[in-house]
Amino acid sequence: GEDVEQSLFLSVREGDSSVINCTYTDSSSTYLYWYKQEPGAGLQLLTYIFSNMDMKQDQRLTVLLNKKDKHLSLRIADTQTGDSAIYFCALDGDTGTASKLTFGTGTRLQVTL
Amino acid sequence: DAMVIQNPRYQVTQFGKPVTLSCSQTLNHNVMYWYQQKSSQAPKLLFHYYDKDFNNEADTPDNFQSRRPNTSFCFLDIRSPGLGDAAMYLCATSRVGETQYFGPGTRLLVL
Repeated sequence: GEDVEQSLFLSVREGDSSVINCTYTDSSSTYLYWYKQEPGAGLQLLTYIFSNMDMKQDQRLTVLLNKKDKHLSLRIADTQTGDSAIYFCALDGDTGTASKLTFGTGTRLQVTL
Repeated sequence: DAMVIQNPRYQVTQFGKPVTLSCSQTLNHNVMYWYQQKSSQAPKLLFHYYDKDFNNEADTPDNFQSRRPNTSFCFLDIRSPGLGDAAMYLCATSRVGETQYFGPGTRLLVL
């Protein structure tokens, strides 16, 4: 099955950029997602990228996809304390009746003053 | 606002006492999913419904059941909760092959 790995923890200062990385083994996904989870809450969809794209920018968020290296990253510009959360990458595996997601292990982002 | 709603947000049950978690959606999506998320782990898919068709994951214990009486509602039944079933339970919905939208989750505590 698909293995999706993320580093466990990232600490950045407020105002700096954050880069969260994700590596995967199966390259057959159509969409690759980034979700944010605040303590005790559900998953909030942040952004996603189609597999035939290399980059997608959405306000402070930039997603980079390197299919050759099977590497996905999320860059958050001007990181704020409200960005402190766990970030999950997720890859879809279309079964025909559902979009089954395989999640990464999650990266906890800590933003310090 | 269109959304995925889960009730209750927190549920306490006793070891072995059946419990039901509820999910509803106003998005009119035809696929609904249930995930289990244990502390510091990624969400793990338990099963999903495509309309009324139930699709169980191979490693989901028999202790977990689900019902979908209509498009809007989906229930997760845990027949005999054990201490190891304490977790956050997340409901999500999507159209076929499209983005999943998650509810806020129900945190289950088993005493």
